[in-house]
Amino acid sequence: SQQGEEDPQALSIQEGENATMNCSYKTSINNLQWYRQNSGRGLVHLILIRSNEREKHSGRLRVTLDTSKKSSSLLITASRAADTASYFCATDNGGNEKLTFGTGTRLTIIP
Amino acid sequence: EADIYQTPRYLVIGTGKKITLECSQTMGHDKMYWYQQDPGMELHLIHYSYGVNSTEKGDLSSESTVSRIRTEHFPLTLESARPSHTSQYLCASSEDGQGIGSYNSPLHFGNGTRLTVT
Repeated sequence: SQQGEEDPQALSIQEGENATMNCSYKTSINNLQWYRQNSGRGLVHLILIRSNEREKHSGRLRVTLDTSKKSSSLLITASRAADTASYFCATDNGGNEKLTFGTGTRLTIIP
Repeated sequence: EADIYQTPRYLVIGTGKKITLECSQTMGHDKMYWYQQDPGMELHLIHYSYGVNSTEKGDLSSESTVSRIRTEHFPLTLESARPSHTSQYLCASSEDGQGIGSYNSPLHFGNGTRLTVT
């Protein structure tokens, strides 16, 4: 079973609103990363948060990490049509040889 | 955007054909990866490499093979394509993390090859 699971699976909001996506994982991690994937394209790295960090910001993005609950959230503020994409979390538990991706949240911004 | 390139972008091929998906990066990254992704689904690691002459299988069983003769080049080959191989194949690279197996560095992805086997 996959390490990360995003919630919700799909989200539609009006342009200008904030979008929040959640990621839950099963085992302890070294870091958690968020990626964006536009339709038919590869993934683009957004932000990396280490296990000893609780919150990180990058422009309109805010990521939180709660290791006690094994969960992370990605907040996109003041959403734009260009934010329409799928968003994936990926975890690195340091013990194996792979970065494990979640199932993704498909975000649609309605103009 | 990262300098990692995949060709072809789209490929439709008949059952039984041998195909090679190309992946090249100009960033000098030692680590490279191949992921398989069905539409709307998560990514599954099928192969990775720590550097030249290093190749490892990922956690998703795959009938494909890879080679790493040059740092910048990580091609994936299917000896005999089948309809079950229809999927999107994504190549990625990263800088070394803190020791082998570490993924502290973010991955840089190509735009993928969408393969259809008829």
